[in-house]
Amino acid sequence: GIQVEQSPPDLILQEGANSTLRCNFSDSVNNLQWFHQNPWGQLINLFYIPSGTKQNGRLSATTVATERYSLLYISSSQTTDSGVYFCAVEQSGGSYIPTFGRGTSLIVHP
Amino acid sequence: NAGVTQTPKFRVLKTGQSMTLLCAQDMNHEYMYWYRQDPGMGLRLIHYSVGEGTTAKGEVPDGYNVSRLKKQNFLLGLESAAPSQTSVYFCASTDWTSGNEQFFGPGTRLTVL
Repeated sequence: GIQVEQSPPDLILQEGANSTLRCNFSDSVNNLQWFHQNPWGQLINLFYIPSGTKQNGRLSATTVATERYSLLYISSSQTTDSGVYFCAVEQSGGSYIPTFGRGTSLIVHP
Repeated sequence: NAGVTQTPKFRVLKTGQSMTLLCAQDMNHEYMYWYRQDPGMGLRLIHYSVGEGTTAKGEVPDGYNVSRLKKQNFLLGLESAAPSQTSVYFCASTDWTSGNEQFFGPGTRLTVL
């Protein structure tokens, strides 16, 4: 099956800093999602982004499908951004089964 | 619109006991999924369903059974719980014909002693 690798595995920031999280995948994908799991465990869908760039407030994401990677940008980080960020991809072929990476754990200090 | 709900939120079992986790969604989604999350492992798919009356195995199906008798409900059963099944269980649903976003429930924390 498709392999999904996220980097870095851990990230510690001071409030106000910017960061870039990366998701590499090993095969063609139909879709790609970024999720945030908050410290209480809730998983929230941030972006559905099989290709191109999207922005939502301080967060933006870019997927370059031909080069098999996606980036999640967090600008002016806040303590509420803390948690784990997951990338999930659905391999081309119409399986509708997302495969998750192991996540990037982000801690933002005040 | 409650989205995806899971019951119970917490449960402690003894080895060999059985239980059923319930997932319900009110978004009329066709696809539903059960995942388990263990430290450092991300989310691993246990079973999934592409519509009422259908189920299929995911990455880690052993020791679990599922049923989708109604479109809005997806049940995960543990017939004989083992300590290795201690985990946090998440249910998700999606409608691939519009949006393709997955919506997750709040999770069930299960401990097997």
